[in-house]
Amino acid sequence: AQSVTQLGSHVSVSEGALVLLRCNYSSSVPPYLFWYVQYPNQGLQLLLKYTSAATLVKGINGFEAEFKKSETSFHLTKPSAHMSDAAEYFCAVSEGNAGGTSYGKLTFGQGTILTVHP
Amino acid sequence: KAGVTQTPRYLIKTRGQQVTLSCSPISGHRSVSWYQQTPGQGLQFLFEYFSETQRNKGNFPGRFSGRQFSNSRSEMNVSTLELGDSALYLCASSLADRDSGELFFGEGSRLTVL
Repeated sequence: AQSVTQLGSHVSVSEGALVLLRCNYSSSVPPYLFWYVQYPNQGLQLLLKYTSAATLVKGINGFEAEFKKSETSFHLTKPSAHMSDAAEYFCAVSEGNAGGTSYGKLTFGQGTILTVHP
Repeated sequence: KAGVTQTPRYLIKTRGQQVTLSCSPISGHRSVSWYQQTPGQGLQFLFEYFSETQRNKGNFPGRFSGRQFSNSRSEMNVSTLELGDSALYLCASSLADRDSGELFFGEGSRLTVL
C-alpha cells in the first residue's frame, strides 16, 4: 500500500524567503511522485513530477523537488517566495506502471497551506 | 486546448436525494478519474474509467457510481445522499492508456447536502 505524509499542515514564509514543503512517501513499488497546487475554489494544477528519470525535478513557477530514495522523501522547494505562491500544496504518489490498481489513482498527502507574508 | 470541464460547479441537495455530476475530459484523453475532497479526509480516489470500462475503484460504498460514454465524457452519481457526502468532487483526465500518474484536474463540483 502507498502512503504520503506531508510534514506541517501550515507553513508561513516572508516574501523572498526560501520555501520548503516536506513530503515523505511509502510505496511497495518504484513510485511516481507529484506535487500539485490548489488555489481557493479551483482544481489541482500539476507543479512537477518524478517518473524515475532525473532525481532533481524542475517544475513551473520556479519550484523544484528532489527525489531521495534513501530518505523516501520528495521535498518541494523554491528559492524565493512570491505572494502569488500562497495556496495549498499536495504531494502525491502513484504506483507508476504497476497497472491494475494504479490506474487513475493517486494517493495524496493531507496538504500544506503556504502563507506568504509581505 | 480546453481543460477538464465539470458541471455543475455548485449544487445543494437534501438528504436522501440523488445527484449526477458531469465531466468532459481534455480532448484526446481517454481516462477519467473521480476524487472526493473533504476537509477531514482530504483527497480520496473514487474510481477510474477508460474506454467506457471501470478499471479501478476506491473504497466507497455502492451509492457512489459512475459511467463513461463513447466520447470519453463521464458522469458520477451519488444516490441516497448523506450529510457526509458534502464535498468537492474533482474529475481528472489522462492521456495515457497505461498509468503515468499525471492527471489533469477540473475545477470541481461543490456539493452541499442539507
